[in-house]
Amino acid sequence: GQSLEQPSEVTAVEGAIVQINCTYQTSGFYGLSWYQQHDGGAPTFLSYNALDGLEETGRFSSFLSRSDSYGYLLLQELQMKDSASYFCAVRGSGGYQKVTFGTGTKLQVIP
Amino acid sequence: DAGITQSPRHKVTETGTPVTLRCHQTENHRYMYWYRQDPGHGLRLIHYSYGVKDTDKGEVSDGYSVSRSKTEDFLLTLESATSSQTSVYFCAISEEEYNEQFFGPGTRLTVL
Repeated sequence: GQSLEQPSEVTAVEGAIVQINCTYQTSGFYGLSWYQQHDGGAPTFLSYNALDGLEETGRFSSFLSRSDSYGYLLLQELQMKDSASYFCAVRGSGGYQKVTFGTGTKLQVIP
Repeated sequence: DAGITQSPRHKVTETGTPVTLRCHQTENHRYMYWYRQDPGHGLRLIHYSYGVKDTDKGEVSDGYSVSRSKTEDFLLTLESATSSQTSVYFCAISEEEYNEQFFGPGTRLTVL
């Protein structure tokens, strides 16, 4: 099976940088994704890493180390609207299209 | 935004009654998924489809069945609803060659 661990809650100050970590266990690995979900809303895709290294998309970056089964999401220049839950998700054993999500990290951005 | 709709958006039903949730897409994406989301569990895959009449089980498929007779529609059925199936249900779609899933707005189901 597959399992992921990420912190349940993180608090950060507006304008600062925050890193949300994710460690995973899977018998096969195709890639690690990140999704954002605001309260009452649907998850929306942020990034995907299939290879080691850093992927940057605007204020958001995602990192993957396959040898450490570890990744993180980096949010820079935090804004109040970044307050949301962030989920890592691994595409691994069970088929290419089966994705397992972590339990989510609730980020609170404070003034 | 991807064209995905879910119906109904909210439903309250009683234990033992059948319930069908509908997911409709206008993107012609091959893959469709049903997830449930519960506090402390994140999103858990119930069933997914990789084409018309082609479906497979996810990690929490017991008590659920699905059907896909057209590319655009993916139905989730609870044959006999139980209180443990009270949850928020999300449908998602993806193209095979992309790594991104697009989610519908969700259906909040309450089983009394």
